[in-house]
Amino acid sequence: QSALTQPASVSGSPGQSITISCTGTTSDIADYNYVSWYQHHPGKAPKLMIYDVSKRPPGISPRFSGSKSGNTASLTISGLQAEDEADYYCSSYINSDSTWVFGGGSKLTVL
Amino acid sequence: QVQLQESGPGLVKPSETLSLTCAVSGYSISSGYYWGWVRQSPGKGPEWIGSFFHDGNTYYNPSLKSRVTISFETSKNQFSLKMNSVTASDTAMYHCARHIITGVSYGLYIWGQGTMVTVSS
Repeated sequence: QSALTQPASVSGSPGQSITISCTGTTSDIADYNYVSWYQHHPGKAPKLMIYDVSKRPPGISPRFSGSKSGNTASLTISGLQAEDEADYYCSSYINSDSTWVFGGGSKLTVL
Repeated sequence: QVQLQESGPGLVKPSETLSLTCAVSGYSISSGYYWGWVRQSPGKGPEWIGSFFHDGNTYYNPSLKSRVTISFETSKNQFSLKMNSVTASDTAMYHCARHIITGVSYGLYIWGQGTMVTVSS
């Protein structure tokens, strides 16, 4: 399975909204609603921000939202804050192969 | 509060077997959820290695399946990863984690801090 495709970097100013895209294929994102997004600050454990395309785990701010259209999933962060600066990874479970694939990651810079 | 802690050698020689353990506290692995391993090589995205359920149901990444074994000990509330015939490309930060809902298809919710493994002679 190929890795999912994400932009290498995204940026925004405090208070703005940004969207990170994650492009897969008809074999992963398009076919299943098992897309997750992770936030990773260097030196810390990754943090699950979104699962099942658009669900937020307990304690995750509603500023984080997820969606999907065709073979592209998106993570939107509204009201950007300095602490949102991190690497973000998308992932999708492929039911037919019983495996997870991840994107290469997007580095979010809060200007 | 559920916590996971990885342990194991930080340096493994090429062609040898990498062995890591994940100690779980705050929840019994035999009570539910899938538990798994993920690694991240320097400069790359994460790679899922595999996940298991306490009934023995285990899923592996097809690209690693021939070299990987995940096992667990409910009495010690821990699970382990063994990867044989390692090469430099297996150098990575290895994390253990728990899925958010019972089911391997759901996101990895609780993570250990990770342990860095370097493959080098």
